[in-house]
Amino acid sequence: QVQLVESGGGVVQPGGSLRLSCATSGFTFSRSAMHWVRQAPGEGLEWVAMMPYDGSYTEYADSVKGRFTISRDNSKNTLNLLMNTLRPEDTAVYYCVKDDYGSLDYWGQGTLVTVSS
Amino acid sequence: DVVMTQSPLSLSVALGQPASISCRSSQSLVHSDGNDYLNWFHQRPGQSPRRLIYKVSSRDSGVPDRFSGSGSGTDFTLKISRVEAEDVGVYYCMQGTHWPWTFGQGTKVEIK
Repeated sequence: QVQLVESGGGVVQPGGSLRLSCATSGFTFSRSAMHWVRQAPGEGLEWVAMMPYDGSYTEYADSVKGRFTISRDNSKNTLNLLMNTLRPEDTAVYYCVKDDYGSLDYWGQGTLVTVSS
Repeated sequence: DVVMTQSPLSLSVALGQPASISCRSSQSLVHSDGNDYLNWFHQRPGQSPRRLIYKVSSRDSGVPDRFSGSGSGTDFTLKISRVEAEDVGVYYCMQGTHWPWTFGQGTKVEIK
């Protein structure tokens, strides 16, 4: 079965950096686009970033463009999110999500990122 | 960016009664391939979201048939024919036609 397991969350000071990872199994990772979606505490869902199966381009939400970088390693079935210049408003649970062409079909359990001094 | 507007934002429904959630987009969600990439997700407290409906009306495997999606263009609806206790939580619509993908604010469903 499809499994998506995020890691790397934690507490970081404003202006700091953090790298999230998502280990995947149960599907052909190298053929699937992948996304990050986040959810601030008590708030709704916000799409963050996408990378297609071959890593040929990226898409980002305006709120993270220029600060976050999505990447993937198809040899390790792993998706990453490098987050720089973090702000308090980046505090959220970050979900790794599998693409299903115009949709998101499988979600990880999420990893919490807290940006606070 | 495409703004997704859900209504109502909260809903209190008696067990066995129907429920309906509206989702309107600020632009047409018709993709160049002719599909409307409108999705519905359900999130129970403390859990990750789960997809219920994709491409307006296609139900995911394992989703009860009391859930149905309809609509086209800019106007979409999720209906629950008879609400059950396990249906509580927050429902989100999301468009996957235009970048960046965007979610509605969410509709909280509780049992009356």
